[in-house]
Amino acid sequence: KAGVTQTPRYLIKTRGQQVTLSCSPISGHRSVSWYQQTPGQGLQFLFEYFSETQRNKGNFPGRFSGRQFSNSRSEMNVSTLELGDSALYLCASSSGQATNEKLFFGSGTQLSVL
Amino acid sequence: DAKTTQPPSMDCAEGRAANLPCNHSTISGNEYVYWYRQIHSQGPQYIIHGLKNNETNEMASLIITEDRKSSTLILPHATLRDTAVYYCIAGLGSGNTGKLIFGQGTTLQVKP
Repeated sequence: KAGVTQTPRYLIKTRGQQVTLSCSPISGHRSVSWYQQTPGQGLQFLFEYFSETQRNKGNFPGRFSGRQFSNSRSEMNVSTLELGDSALYLCASSSGQATNEKLFFGSGTQLSVL
Repeated sequence: DAKTTQPPSMDCAEGRAANLPCNHSTISGNEYVYWYRQIHSQGPQYIIHGLKNNETNEMASLIITEDRKSSTLILPHATLRDTAVYYCIAGLGSGNTGKLIFGQGTTLQVKP
């Protein structure tokens, strides 16, 4: 079974631009969640999608948005990039139905904002 | 989610057991204890989780105290590939929320 796939692996953008990151969950998983990891703040939850609907949201500004498609693939968009958006962006998938199930993470997209 | 406290770093000799402690004194009765680890530049990897009873799988053992205020992750025979940041998380579960509250974790260095 293929794992969680994130593309691209690395990305360099400049301030003010926007960026779209992609995540393909494990086959059969309907929940995709996104995390931001920085050296200063650690791993922080951005949002979670289940069956094309945002089900949970963390404390990030509206510049961070996402969507999920009918095949459960998800994209995350960051508009008007700031230097502080430089981070490793991780997505994770699960079936989304059992409370205590584990999350499967991808390897992440390393975003650098110049 | 309950607050967790872990030592920032630990060393372990290769082949020896690594015992990683975690304090979660404010955990509530229906909150689980989860352990994930993150090897440099990769996404976190699930290790094990438990509610009340001790648990064991092919990767590790989880020992939860009777009062559930603390737990210990045991890697029975640590290898160099176990060098990673280990996160202890106490919460209701991420399966239907996607949300885990990660702390700073413990950096485990396995030395030859």
